[in-house]
Amino acid sequence: EAAVTQSPRNKVAVTGGKVTLSCNQTNNHNNMYWYRQDTGHGLRLIHYSYGAGSTEKGDIPDGYKASRPSQENFSLILELATPSQTSVYFCASGDPGQDSYEQYFGPGTRLTVL
Amino acid sequence: GDSVTQTEGLVTLTEGLPVMLNCTYQTIYSNPFLFWYVQHLNESPRLLLKSFTDNKRTEHQGFHATLHKSSSSFHLQKSSAQLSDSALYYCALSPGTQVVGQLTFGRGTRLQVYA
Repeated sequence: EAAVTQSPRNKVAVTGGKVTLSCNQTNNHNNMYWYRQDTGHGLRLIHYSYGAGSTEKGDIPDGYKASRPSQENFSLILELATPSQTSVYFCASGDPGQDSYEQYFGPGTRLTVL
Repeated sequence: GDSVTQTEGLVTLTEGLPVMLNCTYQTIYSNPFLFWYVQHLNESPRLLLKSFTDNKRTEHQGFHATLHKSSSSFHLQKSSAQLSDSALYYCALSPGTQVVGQLTFGRGTRLQVYA
């Protein structure tokens, strides 16, 4: 079964530290996305990618970098983590040509920055 | 840019009563795709239903919605709420073919159904 997986599922980091969140998909989708979810804000797009080697800024990219080394993997990098980046992060994959723009979400990573 | 508005942050209902969650949108694109995603507690969002056809009702798992381009709306409805419907519901928009793949989500409406 096609799936999106994320690691780690929970992470506690210190202010100023580097955090890398990883995402893997077996859907063979071209597009991948990183969102953060906060109460009152819903799901907000941080970065996305159209394929290996490409990354694009979403609506709230400040403080985040992304890397897409392969079709299957998409990472979100916090070079200098801050408490305001405490949130739940979701990775998703999608392929407009296959599924009319539906996105499939991973299980989420709960990040706490102290 | 595009935007999606869900006016209710929390909707509370007694089991058996009808459900209506509001969604309106703004976009410059003429053929948007609209979606409802549902997220149960400690789970990830999953697609509930979607539409890109004006004035056509779409149904799934007892829920239905109709895209009305004239009023830029895509309200979610169900005739009779069940306890298991308690969840967070997101309305989302894709501009369609002009901007490939991106979704803009509303802030979400939490539906709480009581016995």
